[in-house]
Amino acid sequence: NAGVTQTPKFRVLKTGQSMTLLCAQDMNHEYMYWYRQDPGMGLRLIHYSVGEGTTAKGEVPDGYNVSRLKKQNFLLGLESAAPSQTSVYFCASSRGQGAYGYTFGSGTRLTVV
Amino acid sequence: AQSVTQLGSHVSVSEGALVLLRCNYSSSVPPYLFWYVQYPNQGLQLLLKYTSAATLVKGINGFEAEFKKSETSFHLTKPSAHMSDAAEYFCAVSEASGTYKYIFGTGTRLKVLA
Repeated sequence: NAGVTQTPKFRVLKTGQSMTLLCAQDMNHEYMYWYRQDPGMGLRLIHYSVGEGTTAKGEVPDGYNVSRLKKQNFLLGLESAAPSQTSVYFCASSRGQGAYGYTFGSGTRLTVV
Repeated sequence: AQSVTQLGSHVSVSEGALVLLRCNYSSSVPPYLFWYVQYPNQGLQLLLKYTSAATLVKGINGFEAEFKKSETSFHLTKPSAHMSDAAEYFCAVSEASGTYKYIFGTGTRLKVLA
């Protein structure tokens, strides 16, 4: 089982460019999440989805959009990248709420110059 | 509202010494609590979790954590540190009802000295 796969692993963008990060899970999990990790700030939730066709805002949603057209995929989009979006992005999935815990992808390191 | 505090952003221990990483939470209802480990350039992986079945929880790689409701704590321990334990550790909390989201602490980087 691959678990949670994120592509790409690394990317450098110029300010104002757009890109999409892809997250794919093969565990038939209902819930999927996008976090960003910045030094000294832990993980902050950007957006999440509780099922196919649903999305919701997390703690830091500004500048990002998401879509969950298929249960196994959760896309994170940056329409106009800014240097403040330089970060490591993690996707996670979960079978359910509460006690199940997350399965994380290996991350995407994004640099915006 | 839920929150998680990890005391000490960096902890150093000697190889073979006790590892103690601190986590305190606030939650208005009984929580689920988790410890995750992140090795360099990798994602987070679950070490252990508390789901109210037992207050002392054993996880992978010899780690364990004890839920203490009176102290609102869930500290992570390991009797004897190995060099391979060097990593960043995150505590997370999820309320037991009606939420899909976990709140993560800011992490503790563990350094193991030879």
